Amino acid sequence: QKEVEQDPGPLSVPEGAIVSLNCTYSNSAFQYFMWYRQYSRKGPELLMYTYSSGNKEDGRFTAQVDKSSKYISLFIRDSQPSDSATYLCAIITQGGSEKLVFGKGTKLTVNP
Amino acid sequence: DVKVTQSSRYLVKRTGEKVFLECVQDMDHENMFWYRQDPGLGLRLIYFSYDVKMKEKGDIPEGYSVSREKKERFSLILESASTNQTSMYLCASSGYYEQYFGPGTRLTVT
Repeated sequence: QKEVEQDPGPLSVPEGAIVSLNCTYSNSAFQYFMWYRQYSRKGPELLMYTYSSGNKEDGRFTAQVDKSSKYISLFIRDSQPSDSATYLCAIITQGGSEKLVFGKGTKLTVNP
Repeated sequence: DVKVTQSSRYLVKRTGEKVFLECVQDMDHENMFWYRQDPGLGLRLIYFSYDVKMKEKGDIPEGYSVSREKKERFSLILESASTNQTSMYLCASSGYYEQYFGPGTRLTVT
């Protein structure tokens, strides 16, 4: 089983839709959870990070972590065409190696 | 804001050439990383460094080496470029857990 699984999509939604992006992981030692956004031909940009179960909100973005199910989500409210990008989840153990484990990314297109 | 810069956005090299990719960060971060990104394979870690002159192999170090002589600079070296090293190369730095990426270098080896 891979350490982090992420549905590659592609996901296509109309403008204004609520988007749900998800990852599952297998190692219960993972404690820090991050979401990156990557526009075409650019480097990944850190969007949000959290280290606890529950929700963390930042504007239209909400990161959700369920450690009991080993499941993390990113919700985008009122999606915009500018949100069209590939979204990668990334996870790391606390106090261990500083290597991140990345999902392969979900490609999202928001249609005007 | 954290800034990570890479020496080139696009690079074309011939098979057998020695290639240097440079990365500089301005946040005094201890940790720096080199990844390559290929369609369907995601981000794969080549090498990383915890400190000056320290380096650790990542998941795919074969055909690559690195150099970190100064804290802010981390170089990736392709000793003898091959066509299977055509890829997007991404550098990142981190102080704690969050990694900050540069814009990437699209390398084509012909």
